[in-house]
Amino acid sequence: AQKVTQAQTEISVVEKEDVTLDCVYETRDTTYYLFWYKQPPSGELVFLIRRNSFDEQNEISGRYSWNFQKSTSSFNFTITASQVVDSAVYFCALSESLTNDYKLSFGAGTTVTVRA
Amino acid sequence: DTAVSQTPKYLVTQMGNDKSIKCEQNLGHDTMYWYKQDSKKFLKIMFSYNNKELIINETVPNRFSPKSPDKAHLNLHINSLELGDSAVYFCASSQEFQPIGAGVKAEQYFGPGTRLTVT
Repeated sequence: AQKVTQAQTEISVVEKEDVTLDCVYETRDTTYYLFWYKQPPSGELVFLIRRNSFDEQNEISGRYSWNFQKSTSSFNFTITASQVVDSAVYFCALSESLTNDYKLSFGAGTTVTVRA
Repeated sequence: DTAVSQTPKYLVTQMGNDKSIKCEQNLGHDTMYWYKQDSKKFLKIMFSYNNKELIINETVPNRFSPKSPDKAHLNLHINSLELGDSAVYFCASSQEFQPIGAGVKAEQYFGPGTRLTVT
């Protein structure tokens, strides 16, 4: 069963629009970690954020913000005032304690296209 | 300085051949991984090593054999390549907290990927 669901396959916006990427996860663990990664057209995977299950504070980093809600098992990501350089595939990932193996379970990714 | 490097970046080969992909990290991390990204961009863990010890072998065919000569290197050898092996392979590393299962997971840093094409 898929542990991380990113329901949006593709999102296309015009520059300066805000865009929100949804991420819903599934785990029986009480201690777990959530991550977002960015994969630009050049192909590398860039770490954006890590959040543990005990910290439900929202986070803002520049134009990026994250909304973690345990009640709905969601960890959504918003890009404010999008720019062309934000065009990439964004992956949400989950790491669980129960498995004791450090692996990341990735969602299928959301392709964001920002048009000038 | 590249934190996690992989060679080669591109690999084109014929079915039945044996090939290797090398990975090195200079971050001083104790855990390394191999992931496979298919044509639909789906990323899946293949192997992980912690201090040169195999931790994960995620139902990968025996044709794939990882080797970790030291903490900074994790190489991937593939025997008898098949068409379905065509994908992008990513190496990653992280500094995990001990003991295993302590419940604290570090972020993973990825290499640039190796695009393998089997013809």
